[in-house]
Amino acid sequence: KQEVTQIPAALSVPEGENLVLNCSFTDSAIYNLQWFRQDPGKGLTSLLLIQSSQREQTSGRLNASLDKSSGRSTLYIAASQPGDSATYLCAVADRGSTLGRLYFGRGTQLTVWP
Amino acid sequence: ETGVTQTPRHLVMGMTNKKSLKCEQHLGHNAMYWYKQSAKKPLELMFVYNFKEQTENNSVPSRFSPECPNSSHLFLHLHTLQPEDSALYLCASSQQGPDEQFFGPGTRLTVL
Repeated sequence: KQEVTQIPAALSVPEGENLVLNCSFTDSAIYNLQWFRQDPGKGLTSLLLIQSSQREQTSGRLNASLDKSSGRSTLYIAASQPGDSATYLCAVADRGSTLGRLYFGRGTQLTVWP
Repeated sequence: ETGVTQTPRHLVMGMTNKKSLKCEQHLGHNAMYWYKQSAKKPLELMFVYNFKEQTENNSVPSRFSPECPNSSHLFLHLHTLQPEDSALYLCASSQQGPDEQFFGPGTRLTVL
């Protein structure tokens, strides 16, 4: 069974810092990996999707990389802002399960203070 | 707005009540999902529907009964729930598995 781990569990930084959030998964046979953002009590917002054949994806200040062979993904957030404060979730769709089944990590709770 | 709506946003029910959660997607997708998010636990997949057919039931108790009348609508019928079923229930859709999934805002359920 696929297991997804996210480190750190929580992160508190001053505005302007560049951040690194880590995600690891146990089974490298994946279709894709997706990063989400969740604000308190709300649903998930998709940030980036990396297909298994890709190495990275970028959207604005966000950059996600994927090293499938080592079972790792990293989300970089450049020049962090207070509005980036949220929980960031990593999810993997693997080839061994029902198509569309996502395995989630527990998330990294990010606080960016002014 | 993600194109996925859920109603109600909040629900409080007793253990003997029967209620239903509704999800609607306006994205033309063919796959829909129910997830449960409890405090201090990772998001858990409950059910998957592809082209209106259920393709996954993740060992969910029978007090949760899904219904997918068409590719745009998904229901979760609830009856005789337990307090430990209190959670945020999230609906998602994708063009088809395993494409990018888009989530609704969730229904916050409290079982008394």
